[in-house]
Amino acid sequence: SQTIHQWPATLVQPVGSPLSLECTVEGTSNPNLYWYRQAAGRGLQLLFYSVGIGQISSEVPQNLSASRPQDRQFILSSKKLLLSDSGFYLCACPRGANQETQYFGPGTRLLVL
Amino acid sequence: GENVEQHPSTLSVQEGDSAVIKCTYSDSASNYFPWYKQELGKRPQLIIDIRSNVGEKKDQRIAVTLNKTAKHFSLHITETQPEDSAVYFCAASRGTGGFKTIFGAGTRLFVKA
Repeated sequence: SQTIHQWPATLVQPVGSPLSLECTVEGTSNPNLYWYRQAAGRGLQLLFYSVGIGQISSEVPQNLSASRPQDRQFILSSKKLLLSDSGFYLCACPRGANQETQYFGPGTRLLVL
Repeated sequence: GENVEQHPSTLSVQEGDSAVIKCTYSDSASNYFPWYKQELGKRPQLIIDIRSNVGEKKDQRIAVTLNKTAKHFSLHITETQPEDSAVYFCAASRGTGGFKTIFGAGTRLFVKA
């Protein structure tokens, strides 16, 4: 079954600085990949999803962007972070016999100061 | 757009009592309903799921019911224990690939010893 790696695990960045979060997946090929954000004490907000290399769909307009340079790599970026970008960023891919269940990576906790 | 409403947002029960969390969904095409448990600082993890051709499913102390006509589904935890304390998310999706997986806002469950 799939394994998702995310790094870094924790990140503290100043407002206005750039961001790059990485997600890699093992144990599957050509997976659908998703980026979610969870603000403190809140629910899961879908940010981006990708069905293949170079294919990105954005669910929420914001100052973040995503890229998929390789089959099993998904990157979340920003040119200039805002305070409101703080949160827990989770990468996910479908898992299970019917590929229905979202399986989450360990997450990156981002604090923007 | 599609959404999933989850109630209550916070639930406090005495150890040994039952806990019930309720969700409603709007997308008639939804056919897969997973429930996730998120412990503090960790990723959400699947605890039980149900498909639209089933009305009820049970796994030890947890059970899920689905009323497709009313677009309601519920999580039932019996004989609650302190380790059940966590945030629980319901979700609804159209199935394969994880597409259109919409999450509820979450329920914070406290089990008092």
